[in-house]
Amino acid sequence: AQKVTQAQTEISVVEKEDVTLDCVYETRDTTYYLFWYKQPPSGELVFLIRRNSFDEQNEISGRYSWNFQKSTSSFNFTITASQVVDSAVYFCALSEAPQLGAGNNRKLIWGLGTSLAVNP
Amino acid sequence: KAGVTQTPRYLIKTRGQQVTLSCSPISGHRSVSWYQQTPGQGLQFLFEYFSETQRNKGNFPGRFSGRQFSNSRSEMNVSTLELGDSALYLCASSRGGAGGPYNEQFFGPGTRLTVL
Repeated sequence: AQKVTQAQTEISVVEKEDVTLDCVYETRDTTYYLFWYKQPPSGELVFLIRRNSFDEQNEISGRYSWNFQKSTSSFNFTITASQVVDSAVYFCALSEAPQLGAGNNRKLIWGLGTSLAVNP
Repeated sequence: KAGVTQTPRYLIKTRGQQVTLSCSPISGHRSVSWYQQTPGQGLQFLFEYFSETQRNKGNFPGRFSGRQFSNSRSEMNVSTLELGDSALYLCASSRGGAGGPYNEQFFGPGTRLTVL
């Protein structure tokens, strides 16, 4: 079964601390995509990154970085020098490749999210 | 470019009633997906529409239905409401095509449905 686990329900840090949000996934497919989304208090989910299963290079975007390790089925997200504006719920999601003959039967499978509170 | 809009933002209904939620995707986006978000179950996929056809469906009962119009706007309907249907309903649009959920999805602010 396909599954995304975000073991950390809530994290609280003080501004300027580094914080890592964990994401572990399960899938039988060799081709799949992983995503991170941010949901600030306003409620709108914001896309952060998409990574396909063949690209294990780590990615850095400003204070954000992602560590993809297929060997441990993990796609962790690190925020460096956190800021109060980073306070949000962060979701990890998995999208699998379509099965032959199954049409476009694909969907995003979401973790339950990690609520990050960055305190001044 | 205007973002994804959802109406209404808040809705209060009673058990047994039905409700229709509306979503207008970003201009040029042909794929619209619907999600239900609850504290206990997180985000759960309801269905996806592309070019007026339901392309993908989650594991929800038949009381949940949707449709998409020729201008890509989408509606979802929930009939015979139950208390457990109280949730934030999110709509997401993407360019669609062969990309499906692989594409970056842009989310609306959601409709908060409360069933009493």
